[in-house]
Amino acid sequence: DIQMTQSPSSLSASVGDRVTITCRASQDISSFLGWFQQRPGKAPKSLIYAASTLQSGVPSKFSGSGSGTDFTLTISSLQPEDFATYYCQQYSGYPFTFGPGTKVEIK
Amino acid sequence: QVQMVQSGGELKRPGASVKVSCKTSGYTFSSFYINWVRQAPGQGLEWMGWISGYNGNTNYAEKFQGRVTLTTDTSTSTAYMELRSLRSDDTAVYYCARGDWNFWAQGTLVTVST
Repeated sequence: DIQMTQSPSSLSASVGDRVTITCRASQDISSFLGWFQQRPGKAPKSLIYAASTLQSGVPSKFSGSGSGTDFTLTISSLQPEDFATYYCQQYSGYPFTFGPGTKVEIK
Repeated sequence: QVQMVQSGGELKRPGASVKVSCKTSGYTFSSFYINWVRQAPGQGLEWMGWISGYNGNTNYAEKFQGRVTLTTDTSTSTAYMELRSLRSDDTAVYYCARGDWNFWAQGTLVTVST
């Protein structure tokens, strides 16, 4: 199985901050990577697919980059609704696997 | 608009089976796979498998092979996930999500306990 790791596991940030989350795959997954946001008690929401393509309706403050094994999700200006847990997911090989998540908390 | 609605929460005894439904609307069911993902309490996301809304082809995570069955009813645009031989560590919220991951249902809590 392709293992996904994320760093940091959690972070504290203030409204307006720029935040970057890193995701690493255990092998080359090309650009077969997605990012999800999950608020407490809610279903995950897809933000980005193909490493850098925004899902329809997702604000442009979210951006993704990377290919191969190293990827990043950046939130350009953190807003109260962005405090959540973020997961990366690879869909290059089966089984699809998710990272352990990064919890973004209010400082 | 696209909607995906799952059946309600379940309490099951160890060794029992559970079948969760995922009723879809607002799109052409046959045009997308349905993924199933679960999340144990306080834990991350785990992909279980997908089923094609077109021809019923499936792909299961090896971890669940032999214990999970995904099916569809194209007449009602509904997908089903059946998990057998339940154990306490199967306690989780189970989600269905459209194949492009852009739409998710609300989740179904399955509790396995004596």
